[in-house]
Amino acid sequence: NAGVTQTPKFQVLKTGQSMTLQCAQDMNHNSMYWYRQDPGMGLRLIYYSASEGTTDKGEVPNGYNVSRLNKREFSLRLESAAPSQTSVYFCASRTGEKLFFGSGTQLSVL
Amino acid sequence: TQLLEQSPQFLSIQEGENLTVYCNSSSVFSSLQWYRQEPGEGPVLLVTVVTGGEVKKLKRLTFQFGDARKDSSLHITAAQPGDTGLYLCAGGGGADGLTFGKGTHLIIQP
Repeated sequence: NAGVTQTPKFQVLKTGQSMTLQCAQDMNHNSMYWYRQDPGMGLRLIYYSASEGTTDKGEVPNGYNVSRLNKREFSLRLESAAPSQTSVYFCASRTGEKLFFGSGTQLSVL
Repeated sequence: TQLLEQSPQFLSIQEGENLTVYCNSSSVFSSLQWYRQEPGEGPVLLVTVVTGGEVKKLKRLTFQFGDARKDSSLHITAAQPGDTGLYLCAGGGGADGLTFGKGTHLIIQP
């Protein structure tokens, strides 16, 4: 059972570069989420998608865009990476009040 | 905005000892969840508590939801090195996902 799959696992970018973080779930969940996790800050919601075709901003959306490509896939894009976006990024899908998380992407922006 | 405060932030104890960690809020939650996160992985759900005063046990872990549904505690009996990890409480459950506390970093030393 794959659950939630995130790629890549690690990434290093230079300031100003762009990249897309990929996420896919095989549990047929409607809702998907992108969080970032920083030391001392906990998990903070970037964007979410309550269903295919809809996306909404979370607590910290600035500098990011998302695409809900289909029910399975929810991608997060950094158009012009900044050092403040150095973080660990987690994708999650949801059934009821239970979140299933991927294993994360560790991103460093130099 | 509903906030969850977790304490202590860090806890290091010897194998075999007992411990309690706390999750507090000024807001009422319909439910609270506890997740455990190991290094390099995403959080994994341990339990959901729904009813005020509810107590749930998961082997040596005991979870309690406060009567007023504003706080929760996690008690571990006879801690083992395998209990080491980041323990997160979370609440909310609306379409925009869960609100997470900043977590308790627990280290159990052999």
